[in-house]
Amino acid sequence: KAGVTQTPRYLIKTRGQQVTLSCSPISGHRSVSWYQQTPGQGLQFLFEYFSETQRNKGNFPGRFSGRQFSNSRSEMNVSTLELGDSALYLCASSPDREQFFGPGTRLTVL
Amino acid sequence: DQQVKQNSPSLSVQEGRISILNCDYTNSMFDYFLWYKKYPAEGPTFLISISSIKDKNEDGRFTVFLNKSAKHLSLHIVPSQPGDSAVYFCAARSMNSGGYQKVTFGIGTKLQVIP
Repeated sequence: KAGVTQTPRYLIKTRGQQVTLSCSPISGHRSVSWYQQTPGQGLQFLFEYFSETQRNKGNFPGRFSGRQFSNSRSEMNVSTLELGDSALYLCASSPDREQFFGPGTRLTVL
Repeated sequence: DQQVKQNSPSLSVQEGRISILNCDYTNSMFDYFLWYKKYPAEGPTFLISISSIKDKNEDGRFTVFLNKSAKHLSLHIVPSQPGDSAVYFCAARSMNSGGYQKVTFGIGTKLQVIP
């Protein structure tokens, strides 16, 4: 089976812009979670989607949003980017308790 | 409020010796614990897990120990190999009021195995 794929792998934006990141889960996995990884903060949970519904949400401002499509592919959007949004954004798909991660999208905000 | 804590940011071990990575948690509602390994430029990969009803789980060179009373778990790697050099994340699962799981990660411990 193909693994979790994320596009793009690298992205450079400026403050105030918005960005959309994409994640394609492993075939058959209906749960997709998003995490933000920054140095010293580990993986911070953003949200989880299952069958196009958001089931769980972390403590991030409303500028961070997501959605899931009927084919389980998911997108994450960040509006009005801030310098502190620079991070590695990881997507994970899951059939049960274990999560399978994609390689991440490295976002740099200048 | 860090519910999963990995207090050692880094650890160096000689090849062939034991590596012990530690993790503490504060939320007594966690019912399942996992360890992930992450190499640079890759996403984390699942390594080993343990249910809260057990105190030990072993998989080859990897063993996870859980001490519920102390809210502490540890990952033992024996013998350590240079290929084990990576960042190790401790993670814990809880269920929200809707019955859906949420996984909380620690900040990671960077393990270096010296040949």
